[in-house]
Amino acid sequence: GENVEQHPSTLSVQEGDSAVIKCTYSDSASNYFPWYKQELGKRPQLIIDIRSNVGEKKDQRIAVTLNKTAKHFSLHITETQPEDSAVYFCAAPPGGYQKVTFGTGTKLQVIP
Amino acid sequence: SQTIHQWPATLVQPVGSPLSLECTVEGTSNPNLYWYRQAAGRGLQLLFYSVGIGQISSEVPQNLSASRPQDRQFILSSKKLLLSDSGFYLCAWSGGGLSGTEAFFGQGTRLTVV
Repeated sequence: GENVEQHPSTLSVQEGDSAVIKCTYSDSASNYFPWYKQELGKRPQLIIDIRSNVGEKKDQRIAVTLNKTAKHFSLHITETQPEDSAVYFCAAPPGGYQKVTFGTGTKLQVIP
Repeated sequence: SQTIHQWPATLVQPVGSPLSLECTVEGTSNPNLYWYRQAAGRGLQLLFYSVGIGQISSEVPQNLSASRPQDRQFILSSKKLLLSDSGFYLCAWSGGGLSGTEAFFGQGTRLTVV
């Protein structure tokens, strides 16, 4: 089955700095790579995703980069703000996309 | 538009009691359905997933079970709850097929077994 590793497990940054979270996956057939944000006590929600036919995607302060050869993808948040504080999860559904397993999560704290 | 309903939002149950959590999806057909559990401050543990009516795959052997009696209904059950079953339970759905798509989560059920 798919194995998704996510690092770091916790990350503290000063407001305005950048944050980077990385995930590695094992299934070379994976073709869709989403990132979810979960605020305290709430449900996870998609913030950005990327497909295997592109290497980078940006949406305002958030970007995701993909390296299919190395089987890793990263979430980049620039100019962090206190409201970015949350737990972030990656996922790398295997080819066939039936079983969706998530990374272990990264708790991001943005210090004002 | 598609919506997902999950209830109840909170539940306190004694050890040894049964459990039934229900999840329904509207506005789509033949979705993939998932049950996840999240312990406090931890990740999303996949418990069950289903790609069609009556088709259930179990990821973690335990005293929980799942059923999909209708295309857009997913039920999580237990005959006898354990203390270790406490946690935040999330139902989710995604589009079927070979190309990955976004997963949409229900509001979650916070279960406390006492």
